[in-house]
Amino acid sequence: DQQVKQNSPSLSVQEGRISILNCDYTNSMFDYFLWYKKYPAEGPTFLISISSIKDKNEDGRFTVFLNKSAKHLSLHIVPSQPGDSAVYFCAELYNTDKLIFGTGTRLQVFP
Amino acid sequence: DAGVIQSPRHEVTEMGQEVTLRCKPISGHNSLFWYRQTMMRGLELLIYFNNNVPIDDSGMPEDRFSAKMPNASFSTLKIQPSEPRDSAVYFCASTLSPTGGRGYTFGSGTRLTVV
Repeated sequence: DQQVKQNSPSLSVQEGRISILNCDYTNSMFDYFLWYKKYPAEGPTFLISISSIKDKNEDGRFTVFLNKSAKHLSLHIVPSQPGDSAVYFCAELYNTDKLIFGTGTRLQVFP
Repeated sequence: DAGVIQSPRHEVTEMGQEVTLRCKPISGHNSLFWYRQTMMRGLELLIYFNNNVPIDDSGMPEDRFSAKMPNASFSTLKIQPSEPRDSAVYFCASTLSPTGGRGYTFGSGTRLTVV
């Protein structure tokens, strides 16, 4: 049973607007949630993370929100740029080192 | 820093053949992970090592799969015999444990095609 779910397989956003990517989880005993970005023919690259004790973390254009009561997190990208077009994975870190990934959301940012 | 290095980048093999994928983690990292990416299942953790010792191999699909880490700078994932359903992209990743909020660094992957 998938512990981390990304229910939207794809998202299309106009350049300059906000992109919101969502993730739901079932396991409450996590250490961190992380977001990775993946371009074709490359490995995933780390983007931003949030600790289980926080509800928001911001890094430049990227902000992650964590709602523990709803077991939901989201990644906001503002403003979106064409170079942001990629597949985004949320991942749950637990047991110190174990990362469990969602199935990914393909983001396309068009001019 | 050269990052996590995987070889080969692409592998095409016939069903029944043995396949060996290789990984060199980042120097100084003490945990290494093997993942498999498929369209149906996304990124699945197969096995991970800490200080060269296998910690969790619960994701290894069956006995045809085996992984070793003979030293801190090298790991292999072997499939014997290979089957068409093993076709996927295999990623290796490494980190300095405990991972914390910085996550892992991934290699570029090996695309395996079994015909």
